[in-house]
Amino acid sequence: NAGVTQTPKFRILKIGQSMTLQCTQDMNHNYMYWYRQDPGMGLKLIYYSVGAGITDKGEVPNGYNVSRSTTEDFPLRLELAAPSQTSVYFCASGTLLNYGYTFGSGTRLTVV
Amino acid sequence: EDKVVQSPLSLVVHEGDTVTLNCSYEVTNFRSLLWYKQEKKAPTFLFMLTSSGIEKKSGRLSSILDKKELFSILNITATQTGDSAVYLCAVIETSGSRLTFGEGTQLTVNP
Repeated sequence: NAGVTQTPKFRILKIGQSMTLQCTQDMNHNYMYWYRQDPGMGLKLIYYSVGAGITDKGEVPNGYNVSRSTTEDFPLRLELAAPSQTSVYFCASGTLLNYGYTFGSGTRLTVV
Repeated sequence: EDKVVQSPLSLVVHEGDTVTLNCSYEVTNFRSLLWYKQEKKAPTFLFMLTSSGIEKKSGRLSSILDKKELFSILNITATQTGDSAVYLCAVIETSGSRLTFGEGTQLTVNP
């Protein structure tokens, strides 16, 4: 079982560049999430989705976009990278009945 | 806005000590509270608590929820260096669609 797979694991972007962080889960979970974690801080919700075709903003959505065309995939798009987006990004998935949400291994992004 | 506050933010103990980590919350439509352990990478699930007063236990770790006081504690007895990690508390509201995390408690267990 792959669980939640995030790619890439590391990335360095220049200011103004764009990129997409990929997230795929093979557990048929309806709910998927993107969090960011800054050093020494908890996780902040960026966007989430309760099913294919449905997305919603979390606490810190500015500068990001998402789509959910399939149950399995929930990519996160950064259009114009800024140094404030330097962080570790975690994708997670779950269901209402799930005993805890499953997290991907994270993507460490640095914007210079 | 949902809010989760953990304390202390950091804690340093010696092996064998017992620690208590705290989590208080303000959630409009509370459903469950979760505890996670985060070492170098992704958080790993420890407990989910939905009912007041029922202790969940796994080895040296235990947790309990007080829905009247909007509070949960995570206890770790006979700590080991492998318990060193950030412990995260999170709450889910009734729709089950959103997890709100606290800032975490950084626990360091010295030999």
